[in-house]
Amino acid sequence: DTEVTQTPKHLVMGMTNKKSLKCEQHMGHRAMYWYKQKAKKPPELMFVYSYEKLSINESVPSRFSPECPNSSLLNLHLHALQPEDSALYLCASSVGTGELFFGEGSRLTVL
Amino acid sequence: AQKVTQAQTEISVVEKEDVTLDCVYETRDTTYYLFWYKQPPSGELVFLIRRNSFDEQNEISGRYSWNFQKSTSSFNFTITASQVVDSAVYFCALFRNSGGGADGLTFGKGTHLIIQP
Repeated sequence: DTEVTQTPKHLVMGMTNKKSLKCEQHMGHRAMYWYKQKAKKPPELMFVYSYEKLSINESVPSRFSPECPNSSLLNLHLHALQPEDSALYLCASSVGTGELFFGEGSRLTVL
Repeated sequence: AQKVTQAQTEISVVEKEDVTLDCVYETRDTTYYLFWYKQPPSGELVFLIRRNSFDEQNEISGRYSWNFQKSTSSFNFTITASQVVDSAVYFCALFRNSGGGADGLTFGKGTHLIIQP
């Protein structure tokens, strides 16, 4: 069983909706990540949080808004998405220099 | 800039055959980490191995083995006596330790491994 929990596993939303993806880890990891993965492509880094502060934003459109309320939680707020934003969104955590532990992902479909 | 190249898009072998997945990387950093991840159809990325840039020892774990050659910037992965359950997409990845915070992984494009019964 993965120690990084993502909810929901599946999400369908319209282009005018506002929704959020949630990620939780209780391994005491100081770094948390959001990745986006399109079909048959590798994961692409979106955001990195280190000690609850945003350290990397890979030029992600503002319709994606990350939030790290505490060291165990990571959210990704979604607003006014486009159909091309449909993808698997993966959350991960790490101690900072070690392996990333990934959740099972949230599969997003934008209609 | 960092780059990871997995030249094999798809490999198909018959069960019990040995198979090697290639990975070549580029980085200007002297300290870095290399990884292999497995992604089965369920979607979760499963960590397989981490190797730091100062440790060139090869590693064996059961049917899996890894060959790290710093001179050729390669980190190849071999599965011995493959099984159907090994069917998945395998990603090689590079992690940069900048010392100032947590950097993300740079993934190769992945190799889709198909093990036929």
